[in-house]
Amino acid sequence: NAGVTQTPKFRILKIGQSMTLQCTQDMNHNYMYWYRQDPGMGLKLIYYSVGAGITDKGEVPNGYNVSRSTTEDFPLRLELAAPSQTSVYFCASSYGWGEKEKLFFGSGTQLSVL
Amino acid sequence: DQQVKQNSPSLSVQEGRISILNCDYTNSMFDYFLWYKKYPAEGPTFLISISSIKDKNEDGRFTVFLNKSAKHLSLHIVPSQPGDSAVYFCAASEGGATNKLIFGTGTLLAVQP
Repeated sequence: NAGVTQTPKFRILKIGQSMTLQCTQDMNHNYMYWYRQDPGMGLKLIYYSVGAGITDKGEVPNGYNVSRSTTEDFPLRLELAAPSQTSVYFCASSYGWGEKEKLFFGSGTQLSVL
Repeated sequence: DQQVKQNSPSLSVQEGRISILNCDYTNSMFDYFLWYKKYPAEGPTFLISISSIKDKNEDGRFTVFLNKSAKHLSLHIVPSQPGDSAVYFCAASEGGATNKLIFGTGTLLAVQP
């Protein structure tokens, strides 16, 4: 039972570098999400998707981009990394249709931008 | 503006006793509430939820209470076990077409043997 898989688990970036955080789920969930968690803070929604080809902004989308070409995959792209993007990133998925709030999370990617 | 607030960053209880974690919200449009549990180096996992049409939902040792007039919910764990030691996040949703869960800042529960 893989569930939601995120790679990499850790990454250090230099300011201005780019990277893609990978997320894949094997539960055939329609809804997928990207959250970030800063120290002492709750999870903030970056982007979400209700199905392949459909994405929308969350609370803190600036500096990020997403795509959803398949049901399984929902990568998060950082184009020009900044120190403010140092955080732990969580990908999540949910079934939807009455169950969309019950999220299944990956184990997270700890990103440091120096 | 923090729409979901968990004012206690940490809580320590003895094994076998009751743990009570609190959560307050400001958005009267929230109609679905959830608690998630998070262990270190893992993602949060869903624990229990409650719809605004109810004031209580129970699942084994876990009970969530909702007081809509006070915009307050609480999670009761009875009896508390050392394996319950984790960070607990309260979350809320407006339901309907929105897909945005708003999370609180979390409460670290430590259950002492």
